[in-house]
Amino acid sequence: AQSVTQLGSHVSVSEGALVLLRCNYSSSVPPYLFWYVQYPNQGLQLLLKYTSAATLVKGINGFEAEFKKSETSFHLTKPSAHMSDAAEYFCAVSLTYNQGGKLIFGQGTELSVKP
Amino acid sequence: DVKVTQSSRYLVKRTGEKVFLECVQDMDHENMFWYRQDPGLGLRLIYFSYDVKMKEKGDIPEGYSVSREKKERFSLILESASTNQTSMYLCAVQGRSNQPQHFGDGTRLSIL
Repeated sequence: AQSVTQLGSHVSVSEGALVLLRCNYSSSVPPYLFWYVQYPNQGLQLLLKYTSAATLVKGINGFEAEFKKSETSFHLTKPSAHMSDAAEYFCAVSLTYNQGGKLIFGQGTELSVKP
Repeated sequence: DVKVTQSSRYLVKRTGEKVFLECVQDMDHENMFWYRQDPGLGLRLIYFSYDVKMKEKGDIPEGYSVSREKKERFSLILESASTNQTSMYLCAVQGRSNQPQHFGDGTRLSIL
């Protein structure tokens, strides 16, 4: 069965520092993986998606994620944090086709950015 | 990208009321979803629909029902609202399986 684990419910970085948000997945088939961002009192916005093309995926707002099959990981990074990056981030894996397109979400990681 | 519109951003209802949450998309996507989001519990799937008049239960369907009479509209119904249904409700739309889901802005529902 597919599952997603996000390591660390809260991450705090200084402005300008590297952002690293960790996501590990479990899947019996090649996965489709997604990162979403949620700002306070808003819905989820798609940051980037992995769909078995390139292993390094670039998304919006300067974020990128690398798919590592050997580590079953899909960590999200950004070289230099900005105050506007403070939000909650969700990693998600798509269930197999016969599950009707459902996603399994991780518990989320809240990112704080200190000035 | 698809635009997903939820009818209310904030809603306050009383215990026992029948509550309707509406979600409308501006494309012709088949799959639509209703989630609730609670602190520490992440997103939990309530119901989803993969076509008009088709629906499937998610992980926490108890106390809820849904309606999809037209492709662009997916309604979540709280048959008799209870305080434990106070939550953030998110609607999502998906073109095809394994494609990203696109979310509305959410409805923060309070049941008093």
